Amino acid sequence: DGGITQSPKYLFRKEGQNVTLSCEQNLNHDAMYWYRQDPGQGLRLIYYSQIVNDFQKGDIAEGYSVSREKKESFPLTVTSAQKNPTAFYLCASSIATGGNEKLFFGSGTQLSVL
Amino acid sequence: AQRVTQPEKLLSVFKGAPVELKCNYSYSGSPELFWYVQYSRQRLQLLLRHISRESIKGFTADLNKGETSFHLKKPFAQEEDSAMYYCALSGRGSYKLIFGSGTRLLVRP
Repeated sequence: DGGITQSPKYLFRKEGQNVTLSCEQNLNHDAMYWYRQDPGQGLRLIYYSQIVNDFQKGDIAEGYSVSREKKESFPLTVTSAQKNPTAFYLCASSIATGGNEKLFFGSGTQLSVL
Repeated sequence: AQRVTQPEKLLSVFKGAPVELKCNYSYSGSPELFWYVQYSRQRLQLLLRHISRESIKGFTADLNKGETSFHLKKPFAQEEDSAMYYCALSGRGSYKLIFGSGTRLLVRP
């Protein structure tokens, strides 16, 4: 149905391994976001990007890295430094005309540790 | 510090009863407040935002700066309103959106 596509739907990480979660959007949105969702804690912001080749840390950026080489793509890498990576990860995008715009969310990736 | 508090993890009501989902916030500047909803097997989506002063699916929310609250209300709950509801906050002109921990609304027949 277009919009934001996250892949894979489920991902398993081995000890010491880096894994990358994909997020692609065809909405021509400038801003993109990564949130982590844990039971009972709501959504916490990991990283966000307002334009291509620029991104900022959110509240829980440690152990994660991102890149924004293309407007359509905002991949998230969960590094081995992230000691508690098991969570549901949500990607979102918005038009970004100055903030406070409606966020469009992907369907999420569930990451688990083997 | 910016914070959004939703004190109720679960709110259960009967069909036709009034609903109020509570949201309190802490923010030093001028906040923008939102309610997002996630229905079963659907994506998280925007329900309403305070700057629009709109009513969506019968829901309304009023920003009370004195009480720092943005409670979501509906006079007569429907079974299809059952979902997870998140209150969210950002500063004016900011891209950083902070979410509460969410309240699950269960509307029983």
